[in-house]
Amino acid sequence: AQSVTQLGSHVSVSEGALVLLRCNYSSSVPPYLFWYVQYPNQGLQLLLKYTTGATLVKGINGFEAEFKKSETSFHLTKPSAHMSDAAEYFCAVSEGQAGTALIFGKGTTLSVSS
Amino acid sequence: EAGVAQSPRYKIIEKRQSVAFWCNPISGHATLYWYQQILGQGPKLLIQFQNNGVVDDSQLPKDRFSAERLKGVDSTLKIQPAKLEDSAVYLCASRDRRPGYEQYFGPGTRLTVT
Repeated sequence: AQSVTQLGSHVSVSEGALVLLRCNYSSSVPPYLFWYVQYPNQGLQLLLKYTTGATLVKGINGFEAEFKKSETSFHLTKPSAHMSDAAEYFCAVSEGQAGTALIFGKGTTLSVSS
Repeated sequence: EAGVAQSPRYKIIEKRQSVAFWCNPISGHATLYWYQQILGQGPKLLIQFQNNGVVDDSQLPKDRFSAERLKGVDSTLKIQPAKLEDSAVYLCASRDRRPGYEQYFGPGTRLTVT
């Protein structure tokens, strides 16, 4: 069965600092991996996704993530945090082309201080 | 392109009452999902439709929850009777059937059961 573990339910950084949100997954088949962001009282917005091909994926708002099969990880990074990045971030996995539903981690709340 | 629409945005009911949520997916999206997001957790799949057929409802509490997608477009999710533990945000998402395409989420309906 697939699962997602997000290490750290809350991450705090200063504005301009590196953002690193950790995600590890388990899957018996090649996974599709996603990062979503959720602002208060809003739905989920896709930041980036990995399906096949290049393992370093660039997304919106300066975020990127690297798929490391050997480590079963898909960590999200951003070189320089901005106040507007404060939100909740979810890592999710699905079974590739099967089109199955997403399995989400519990989420990481990112706080950015000035 | 219009996004996924959901209504109502907020609903407060007493336990043992019934409630219904409505979702209109992105035009042309054959796959529709309902997720339940309890406070502090990631979304969890309740039911997945492909056109108007059910693909996966293994996590739907069928003694109280029901869902339908007539004509393969709009969908409704109903809870009858509601319990306190049903308090959550109910998210609807839709997806293009082509492999690798992501799910698009609506803003959700926040249900409070008192």
